[in-house]
Amino acid sequence: DTGVSQNPRHKITKRGQNVTFRCDPISEHNRLYWYRQTLGQGPEFLTYFQNEAQLEKSRLLSDRFSAERPKGSFSTLEIQRTEQGDSAMYLCATLKEDNSPLHFGNGTRLTVT
Amino acid sequence: AQSVTQPDIHITVSEGASLELRCNYSYGATPYLFWYVQSPGQGLQLLLKYFSGDTLVQGIKGFEAEFKRSQSSFNLRKPSVHWSDAAEYFCAVGDILTGGGNKLTFGTGTQLKVEL
Repeated sequence: DTGVSQNPRHKITKRGQNVTFRCDPISEHNRLYWYRQTLGQGPEFLTYFQNEAQLEKSRLLSDRFSAERPKGSFSTLEIQRTEQGDSAMYLCATLKEDNSPLHFGNGTRLTVT
Repeated sequence: AQSVTQPDIHITVSEGASLELRCNYSYGATPYLFWYVQSPGQGLQLLLKYFSGDTLVQGIKGFEAEFKRSQSSFNLRKPSVHWSDAAEYFCAVGDILTGGGNKLTFGTGTQLKVEL
């Protein structure tokens, strides 16, 4: 159990640029969640996958955001035309099955200048 | 819609003193409830969870929490705080109907400082 891995740890980008984050889940963890955490707040749900299927998306996930999990293993979260309001910590979390613990990665901190 | 309120933004306790962090939730049915801890620059670690059954839940690192339906509360307690417990603590409620109970709504967190 090597833990949920997120890359990069930090990303600084200029407004208007596209960014992509990656999340590698713990082996055999079928469910994968993305959360966003802004300074001084708790994490907010963005979307989740059951294997490769994206089952739910939050209204926070505007058209500029897209998440994929093509083979049911790693997942990517892309933000197009970044805005300063996108600056946040993006957290990935995975679990094996219902009622098992949710394991969080250390997050990717995005700064949009 | 579900919500979580953590009324204390900051709490300072002396090492060895007891601790209680407050959490109130709003949810239409029997909730899934969680407490997570986050150290600076890190992800969240699960301390304990309540799904059903015994309303007093034991977690890791000596923490416990009690589910009180009548008060819509799930307060976190520890009898004797250690300096390493300094961190931010988040209470969360899980949506049973979607997300398999792990589509979580978090409170705004309580920052715990421990004085030596």
